[in-house]
Amino acid sequence: QVALRESGPALVKPTETLTLTCTFSGFSLTTTGMCVNWIRQPPGKALEWLARIDWDDEKIYNSSLKTRLTISKDTSKNEAVFVMTNMDPVDTATYYCARVREGGGSGDYMDVWGTGITVTVSS
Amino acid sequence: IQLTQSPSTLSASVGDRVTITCRATDSRSTWLTWFQQKPGKAPKLLVYKASVLADGVPSRFRGGGSGPEFTLTITSLQPDDSATYYCQHYHPTEYTFGQGTKLEIK
Repeated sequence: QVALRESGPALVKPTETLTLTCTFSGFSLTTTGMCVNWIRQPPGKALEWLARIDWDDEKIYNSSLKTRLTISKDTSKNEAVFVMTNMDPVDTATYYCARVREGGGSGDYMDVWGTGITVTVSS
Repeated sequence: IQLTQSPSTLSASVGDRVTITCRATDSRSTWLTWFQQKPGKAPKLLVYKASVLADGVPSRFRGGGSGPEFTLTITSLQPDDSATYYCQHYHPTEYTFGQGTKLEIK
């Protein structure tokens, strides 16, 4: 059974760096076509895609946030790690990781999501 | 590419049929994905590749259309369908979500 779980701090201060870990089971990030996305959702607002890492270590980022984002993976631990620098109160949101199937093609889709982690940015 | 959903909110009764529309700014958009999200929960995959129903999703949900206009139709509405629905598109190097449609069951 496929499952993903986000972990990390619930509270960060402005200007600090946020590091979140997505620990998954039921699939491998070494399998062709498998990817992991990070998505966030500010309170009461729509979903916003952040970054993706692929089975072949290819990475893509939201162009508006690219300079602040880094995504990586540790296939031995079944983890995908997301880093966002210079956090601001507007970055307060629930952050999700999700498995991507058929990654790399326009028909890919996010079929299983983690439950999300709420991150508040406040001094 | 931007996605515009309509309507933003929708109120319907049990048993009704409703349609949510998602319009892409790029007419070449081929595939679209639909998610259902309930308060405090993660989004749930409903439809991918515009019309393929995800595993376990009732056949009352139907995705259709092609670039630039896609639709999600829900027939025989049930109380459990009360949720916010999002469309999503992937264009090489970027994913985009619509702003969401909140469906209320009267």
